[in-house]
Amino acid sequence: QQQVKQSPQSLIVQKGGISIINCAYENTAFDYFPWYQQFPGKGPALLIAIRPDVSEKKEGRFTISFNKSAKQFSLHIMDSQPGDSATYFCAARGGANSKLTFGKGITLSVRP
Amino acid sequence: DVKVTQSSRYLVKRTGEKVFLECVQDMDHENMFWYRQDPGLGLRLIYFSYDVKMKEKGDIPEGYSVSREKKERFSLILESASTNQTSMYLCASSLLALAGLAFNEQYFGPGTRLTVT
Repeated sequence: QQQVKQSPQSLIVQKGGISIINCAYENTAFDYFPWYQQFPGKGPALLIAIRPDVSEKKEGRFTISFNKSAKQFSLHIMDSQPGDSATYFCAARGGANSKLTFGKGITLSVRP
Repeated sequence: DVKVTQSSRYLVKRTGEKVFLECVQDMDHENMFWYRQDPGLGLRLIYFSYDVKMKEKGDIPEGYSVSREKKERFSLILESASTNQTSMYLCASSLLALAGLAFNEQYFGPGTRLTVT
């Protein structure tokens, strides 16, 4: 049973465009929703995270939008750059100090 | 800077060998995790530990065991390596999150690519 589902599976965007990655979850006990970014040859690193009592969080060009009723959240990358080309994982946490459940990841390619 | 180091970047082992993957973190984190990463399957949790000598099974613990004798070190053990354990193995650590409002970031090591032939 996949508790966190990402879409699309891959994404190609032109430089300067908007990249949008979606995640859906099933477990209403999830209490934190982070996004991790992974470059080739590196481990994933936290990009941005949101709590379910907030509908949007923005950090620079990266924004998480959260829809609690639909059990969905998405990552928007504004003014996408070739340096943003990486694998992106959404995740969800099942309560304080519990484990993270990760989505399958999506490969983003930003064309120059 | 938080640093999570893994003993090897690349490892090649034969079927049936006992394999040890070592992970060390330098930030006094209580939590440590072992994941495997496979194309199309994302990150899957194998085992995690909240404290020294404590361990909890993750989603795919079969064929693996772990050891945490010291707070900074978390070892993953493949008792008898098999070809289906060929994968990228990632270690992570985080602070203990006692309050629900706190999110304690998991810091990942660079990974060990294990090939079992």
